[in-house]
Amino acid sequence: NAGVMQNPRHLVRRRGQEARLRCSPMKGHSHVYWYRQLPEEGLKFMVYLQKENIIDESGMPKERFSAEFPKEGPSILRIQQVVRGDSAAYFCASSLTGTRNTEAFFGQGTRLTVV
Amino acid sequence: GENVEQHPSTLSVQEGDSAVIKCTYSDSASNYFPWYKQELGKGPQLIIDIRSNVGEKKDQRIAVTLNKTAKHFSLHITETQPEDSAVYFCAAPHSGYSTLTFGKGTMLLVSP
Repeated sequence: NAGVMQNPRHLVRRRGQEARLRCSPMKGHSHVYWYRQLPEEGLKFMVYLQKENIIDESGMPKERFSAEFPKEGPSILRIQQVVRGDSAAYFCASSLTGTRNTEAFFGQGTRLTVV
Repeated sequence: GENVEQHPSTLSVQEGDSAVIKCTYSDSASNYFPWYKQELGKGPQLIIDIRSNVGEKKDQRIAVTLNKTAKHFSLHITETQPEDSAVYFCAAPHSGYSTLTFGKGTMLLVSP
């Protein structure tokens, strides 16, 4: 009974490169959320997706960031032309439903370092 | 949107003591309040949650209380152990969806 799987666990990119972060939700979950955690800070919501649809992207930066959750395969968070300020831990969570009181389970995160 | 405040930011206790972490929220429509534990280098782990139809919930050494009138909820850990040392986050629903707004976290250190 695998939990939320994220890969890679660690990712190093040079400024200007692209970063692709993958997330496979828990079995049976079709709701996926991406959060960003800056050093010594809490988790900030970025985007909420349900299979093939973006439900809420109010936390996503307007430029360079995009997310998708295709019908088949993992959810992808894509960061183009990375800058040093993108260095953070990116966490994916999944839930069974999209109701307001649903339990969300997190993956182990991808730690992105931009050099 | 929701605003969640969490206190204290750090908490040091001796093994066996109790620890209490408090959070307040702003959206009176919020009805679900989870707590997460995050160990170094790992993802947040859901440890307990409470829904607005109850005032308290217990699970072994941890308990959560909710005061809807005052819009605050608290995490209580009794008989603390060194393995309880971690960062604890409270959360509440963000806007009208199933997304969460998190507090800034409390670093709990339990000394043997």
